[in-house]
Amino acid sequence: QVQLVESGGGVVQPGRSLRLSCAASGFIFSTYAMHWVRQAPGKGLEWVALISSDGRNKYHADSVKGRFTISRDNSKNTLYLQMNSLRLEDTAVYYCARGGSYSDYWGQGTLVTVSS
Amino acid sequence: QSALTQPASVSGSPGQSITISCTGTSSDVGGYNFVSWYQQHPGKAPKLMIYDVSNRPSGVSNRFSGSKSGNTASLTISGLQAEDEADYYCSSCTSTSTYVFGTGTKVTVL
Repeated sequence: QVQLVESGGGVVQPGRSLRLSCAASGFIFSTYAMHWVRQAPGKGLEWVALISSDGRNKYHADSVKGRFTISRDNSKNTLYLQMNSLRLEDTAVYYCARGGSYSDYWGQGTLVTVSS
Repeated sequence: QSALTQPASVSGSPGQSITISCTGTSSDVGGYNFVSWYQQHPGKAPKLMIYDVSNRPSGVSNRFSGSKSGNTASLTISGLQAEDEADYYCSSCTSTSTYVFGTGTKVTVL
């Protein structure tokens, strides 16, 4: 069955970096585009980034552009989100999700807390 | 990349029908048939309920239906049940190949 397992979250100080990972299994990872979506505590969903199946095309939300980078390693069936220059407002649960125009499978999320 | 506009809350009695609207612009909802809807229960990951405006994934109850007119998409839940009480979010692709979610709607079953 399809599984997406995020890891790498934790508590980090403002201005520092963190890399999230999303391990995929149960499907042919290299044939699907993938998203990162986040949800601040008590708030709604916010789209963060999208990467094409072959990794060539990447898109980021304006709120993270220049600070976050989405990437993937199809040989390891893993999606990444490199987060630099973290801000207090980046505190959220980060989900990886399968698919392009819609996401049919989601991970359980990993919590990132930016705090001094 | 402004969030799509949804009502903050919608409520209904068991068995009734409710409709949640999702209003965007011609650069997102109105420009593409790539509107999807997600259900989220507290502490859980979102679940896909409708994709490409009106298609239902396998396993999703046929009580859920979607439509679109102009810049506004809608999700209708018929025969409302207690288990439908959750937050609902719409999503659309945009003219810049990014994506945007709606502000979210809390559905309460009275």
